[in-house]
Amino acid sequence: DAGITQSPRHKVTETGTPVTLRCHQTENHRYMYWYRQDPGHGLRLIHYSYGVKDTDKGEVSDGYSVSRSKTEDFLLTLESATSSQTSVYFCAIGGGWETQYFGPGTRLLVL
Amino acid sequence: GESVGLHLPTLSVQEGDNSIINCAYSNSASDYFIWYKQESGKGPQFIIDIRSNMDKRQGQRVTVLLNKTVKHLSLQIAATQPGDSAVYFCAEKSSGDKLTFGTGTRLAVRP
Repeated sequence: DAGITQSPRHKVTETGTPVTLRCHQTENHRYMYWYRQDPGHGLRLIHYSYGVKDTDKGEVSDGYSVSRSKTEDFLLTLESATSSQTSVYFCAIGGGWETQYFGPGTRLLVL
Repeated sequence: GESVGLHLPTLSVQEGDNSIINCAYSNSASDYFIWYKQESGKGPQFIIDIRSNMDKRQGQRVTVLLNKTVKHLSLQIAATQPGDSAVYFCAEKSSGDKLTFGTGTRLAVRP
């Protein structure tokens, strides 16, 4: 997890509230990614960024938005949280679509 | 098949023995593969990678074997230690595509 931090590490929220998760890196990697991890599924890509202000959707992007205003920060926002978004969220960094290094994760519970 | 969480396939090995964890991948066009280790409550940790032009790659106590004919990847851990207990999963990259992650196998090391 060196060089990648996520905040908060744990969060409990209520359905319908907005939630923002933050990923911060000190490695100066161009690419940053947000994944979710759920039982029965491998890591699934939500959104990714290939540079400041350059982002794109992954396979499970509905209900999520992202922003990257600085190289080191990548924010994931749940505009109106739903129970189906209860999950563990991982940020990752990398140089492209090969080796990716993951943060410690954020455990989100939506009640 | 593999699955994460309560129904995760488990490999139980005696401390000091060698472990072999298997992964079947789906896309014959995949040209890059990674093995990750994930300890409870932590983010996935990169172990070793291999490109499709190779059959074998060795690291410290780990070896990855790639059989493209049957689309099979394996991770061998020599002299398994208690600290190796974790969930291990593979990831594949198709040319020009994103990483696709498997759901994992739990390795339990018996003392």
